[in-house]
Amino acid sequence: NAGVTQTPKFRILKIGQSMTLQCAQDMNHNYMYWYRQDPGMGLKLIYYSVGAGITDKGEVPNGYNVSRSTTEDFPLRLELAAPSQTSVYFCASSYHRGSGNTIYFGEGSWLTVV
Amino acid sequence: KNQVEQSPQSLIILEGKNCTLQCNYTVSPFSNLRWYKQDTGRGPVSLTIMTFSENTKSNGRYTATLDADTKQSSLHITASQLSDSASYICVVSASTGNQFYFGTGTSLTVIP
Repeated sequence: NAGVTQTPKFRILKIGQSMTLQCAQDMNHNYMYWYRQDPGMGLKLIYYSVGAGITDKGEVPNGYNVSRSTTEDFPLRLELAAPSQTSVYFCASSYHRGSGNTIYFGEGSWLTVV
Repeated sequence: KNQVEQSPQSLIILEGKNCTLQCNYTVSPFSNLRWYKQDTGRGPVSLTIMTFSENTKSNGRYTATLDADTKQSSLHITASQLSDSASYICVVSASTGNQFYFGTGTSLTVIP
């Protein structure tokens, strides 16, 4: 099983550029999430989705946008990249957010904004 | 405010030794608590999930405990191996809302 797949693995952006981080899962999970992980900090939720066509803001949504047109895909869009968006981004999915349901994470995308 | 705090921040132990990592939380109403292992440069991988009624759960050399009254959890690693070197993250979810609350992790280094 591929699980949760993220691309690209590494990317360097110039200030003001835009890009999309791709995320796909093949486990037919309803819930998908985008987190960012800064050095020495816990994962912070950017956006999440409870199903196709439904998205909602997390803790740190400013500067990002998402869409969920299919169950499998949950891309994260960065508009007008800023140095503060330099971070490691993790996409994750779960069938449900309730007890007993494991969250599966992708391998991460390292983004540097210069 | 819902928070998850882990201690120690970092830990170095000799191969073969045991260690215990701590997680204290204020998340309410509590639903479940997860421990994840994150190898350097990789995504977190689930070790255990514990619900309100569970006090202890084991996964090989990893044993997690939960005291829902004091809102504390621990992860005990027995007979550590070099491959246990990683960051261990405590994640708590509430029974309302859609968020998971992440600790900042404990960085464990096992040396030969």
